[in-house]
Amino acid sequence: EAGVAQSPRYKIIEKRQSVAFWCNPISGHATLYWYQQILGQGPKLLIQFQNNGVVDDSQLPKDRFSAERLKGVDSTLKIQPAKLEDSAVYLCASSLDRQAVYEQYFGPGTRLTVT
Amino acid sequence: AQSVSQHNHHVILSEAASLELGCNYSYGGTVNLFWYVQYPGQHLQLLLKYFSGDPLVKGIKGFEAEFIKSKFSFNLRKPSVQWSDTAEYFCAVNPTDSWGKLQFGAGTQVVVTP
Repeated sequence: EAGVAQSPRYKIIEKRQSVAFWCNPISGHATLYWYQQILGQGPKLLIQFQNNGVVDDSQLPKDRFSAERLKGVDSTLKIQPAKLEDSAVYLCASSLDRQAVYEQYFGPGTRLTVT
Repeated sequence: AQSVSQHNHHVILSEAASLELGCNYSYGGTVNLFWYVQYPGQHLQLLLKYFSGDPLVKGIKGFEAEFIKSKFSFNLRKPSVQWSDTAEYFCAVNPTDSWGKLQFGAGTQVVVTP
């Protein structure tokens, strides 16, 4: 089966610009996650969707980050305006459902560099 | 605050050597525990997981991990590593009351030399 798809794979922007990332989860997966992985750290959960509703966005910097999952399938994560400290790899993951027993499958990530 | 600590950031060892990676967590409640692996150029993928029962769990590619509740630890082991085990390894914790939310450690980069 096809895995989690993300685009773009790489993005370089200047601070104060905006950027958007796209994720297409595995077909049939109800739960979608966005993680931020800063160099030298493990992934940190930003937001979790169940179908098209937000389950957890407690670690999302809502003053500059936003995310949506229209129709409960694809999702976009936006940063506006970007700061230098937003440089990181943004990972999307999906699972059949939100219980931990369902494995999370990760995409290849988008590497963002903010200059 | 909840945290996940991985003891080593970098490990270098020779083929056929034994590997043990430490992971400790701080959380007062019940947790599910995971090890993920990221091979060079590949996606992050699940290596093994522990939910309950036998504290010694076996995963793919000959890896195993032991949950020691009294020590809040979930250490990963492999008796004899291969060059293909070169990867970054992440320990992750899921508090059972948090609906699949994973908290990851910082990762350990493992390099196996021929």
